[in-house]
Amino acid sequence: KQEVTQIPAALSVPEGENLVLNCSFTDSAIYNLQWFRQDPGKGLTSLLLIQSSQREQTSGRLNASLDKSSGRSTLYIAASQPGDSATYLCAVYGNQFYFGTGTSLTVIP
Amino acid sequence: GAVVSQHPSRVICKSGTSVKIECRSLDFQATTMFWYRQFPKQSLMLMATSNEGSKATYEQGVEKDKFLINHASLTLSTLTVTSAHPEDSSFYICSARDRNRGSNQPQHFGDGTRLSIL
Repeated sequence: KQEVTQIPAALSVPEGENLVLNCSFTDSAIYNLQWFRQDPGKGLTSLLLIQSSQREQTSGRLNASLDKSSGRSTLYIAASQPGDSATYLCAVYGNQFYFGTGTSLTVIP
Repeated sequence: GAVVSQHPSRVICKSGTSVKIECRSLDFQATTMFWYRQFPKQSLMLMATSNEGSKATYEQGVEKDKFLINHASLTLSTLTVTSAHPEDSSFYICSARDRNRGSNQPQHFGDGTRLSIL
């Protein structure tokens, strides 16, 4: 069974810092990997989708990479802002979605 | 962009009540919808896959008689928590896959329903 792990579980950084969130998965037979943002008590907002054949995707200050062979993905956030504070989830999609446990990010003004 | 509407966003009710949660795809048709459950500070866990016009597929450990799923049309799936008890209190989220897009395309998620059973 696919297992998805996210490190760190929580992260607190001052505004303006660049940061990296990590995601690892055990089964490389995936269609794609998706990064989501979840605000407290809210649903999911899709940030980036990387197909299994791709190495990275970029959207604004966000860059996500995928190394399928090693079962790893990173989400890079440049010049962090207080509005980036949220929980970030990665999910791999094979025959269903498997979610990581998330990284709770706090950006301090 | 594609939107999934989930209703209600929050429910508070007494133990023993049955609660129905709706998941609608607003601008696309979805032959498949997914129901997830999320406990505090934990990740989303797939409960069941809802297939239009057929029975839902439940994940191991999910009671199908407790969590009734109906997917009667291409734009609506419902999850009914029957005779809810405090341990059913959780955050429930649905997602839907556009039938006109491949299975490797992103799913669209609802905003979730916070269920609190007193």
